[in-house]
Amino acid sequence: EIVMTQSPATLSVSPGERATLSCRASQSVSSNLAWYQQKPGQAPRLLIYGASTRATGIPARFSGSGSGTEFTLTISSLQSEDFAVYYCQQYNNWGTFGQGTKVEIK
Amino acid sequence: EVQLVQSGAEVKKPGESLKISCKGSGYSFTSYWIGWVRQMPGKGLEWMGIIYPGDSDTRYSPSFQGQVTISADKSISTAYLQWSSLKASDTAMYYCARLGFLDPKAWFDPWGQGTLVTVSS
Repeated sequence: EIVMTQSPATLSVSPGERATLSCRASQSVSSNLAWYQQKPGQAPRLLIYGASTRATGIPARFSGSGSGTEFTLTISSLQSEDFAVYYCQQYNNWGTFGQGTKVEIK
Repeated sequence: EVQLVQSGAEVKKPGESLKISCKGSGYSFTSYWIGWVRQMPGKGLEWMGIIYPGDSDTRYSPSFQGQVTISADKSISTAYLQWSSLKASDTAMYYCARLGFLDPKAWFDPWGQGTLVTVSS
């Protein structure tokens, strides 16, 4: 089973600042990588698929990059509604999620 | 609009059986895989398995193989997640989600609203 490791576990960021979240796969997943956002009491929401393609309706401040085993989600200028938990998921070999990164207000 | 609507919260005792549901609408139910994801209290997301309602082809994560059964009834556009004997450790929120592409190698989008399962004596 492919293990996905996200870092950091918690990221403290001020509104308007840039946030960079990392996700590493234990073996290559090509570009078969998605990012999700989950707010308390809500279902996850797809942000990025194919490592770098924004889902419908996702603001341009969210961007994804990487391939193989190293991936990054960047939020260029954090808005109040962006404070949440973010998960990466590989779907190259069925599916596994990372443990999540909580983005909190600094 | 593509939508997945899950059945309501359940409270069960250890050893009881349970089947929760996920009804799809707004798309061709038989053409897309549907998956189930577990989220234990305060924890992250776990990929459980997926089913192709067109022919009921089903794939499980090794962690969940033999622990749950995923099924679908294409006549009513509904997928199911079933337990034959619940344990306290099955207490969690369970989400269904459609795969975003006509292929089992795909992301989840959209998601259902979740079904909270509580198992307690």
